[in-house]
Amino acid sequence: GQNIDQPTEMTATEGAIVQINCTYQTSGFNGLFWYQQHAGEAPTFLSYNVLDGLEEKGRFSSFLSRSKGYSYLLLKELQMKDSASYLCAVGDSNYQLIWGAGTKLIIKP
Amino acid sequence: IAGITQAPTSQILAAGRRMTLRCTQDMRHNAMYWYRQDLGLGLRLIHYSNTAGTTGKGEVPDGYSVSRANTDDFPLTLASAVPSQTSVYFCASSGTSDYNEQFFGPGTRLTVL
Repeated sequence: GQNIDQPTEMTATEGAIVQINCTYQTSGFNGLFWYQQHAGEAPTFLSYNVLDGLEEKGRFSSFLSRSKGYSYLLLKELQMKDSASYLCAVGDSNYQLIWGAGTKLIIKP
Repeated sequence: IAGITQAPTSQILAAGRRMTLRCTQDMRHNAMYWYRQDLGLGLRLIHYSNTAGTTGKGEVPDGYSVSRANTDDFPLTLASAVPSQTSVYFCASSGTSDYNEQFFGPGTRLTVL
């Protein structure tokens, strides 16, 4: 079957760094996406990885290892506005996205 | 219109009633999707459409139907609502970038009593 695993909840301190992990097993692989979703709002696109390695975009970076079925999202210099859920999704062989349940990130002052 | 709009924003519905959730995009995206999001579960695909005139079933299609008469509109119909269809429904579209990220509408919060 197809499966995306990520931690349910994480807590971090304002100004710190946090890493959110995602492991996946899917039928085929057509890229891995990270989305941010604030409470009561729609998901918004953060990053995309299709090749192994690190993609950096400002305070956010995303890493992919296809051989390990593993990705992480790294958030630096955490701000209170980063409190949100972070969704990992993988494109399968039909180019449909398979979604993880999301990681709720709580930022404390 | 800029992006994707959904209507209504929220709705309380009696079980057994018919309901259509509306979704319109103005980005000329070929692909559109309907998801439901429930607490503790990931987004689950209900139906999708890769281009106008075609539709396909997702992971949880039972009790739902869709149509895609043109590029912009992708309505989702619940023929006879049941309480288990209480959820937040998101419409999304994709199609113009190199990696086809999905853009989401604001969602419809549906409660079936």
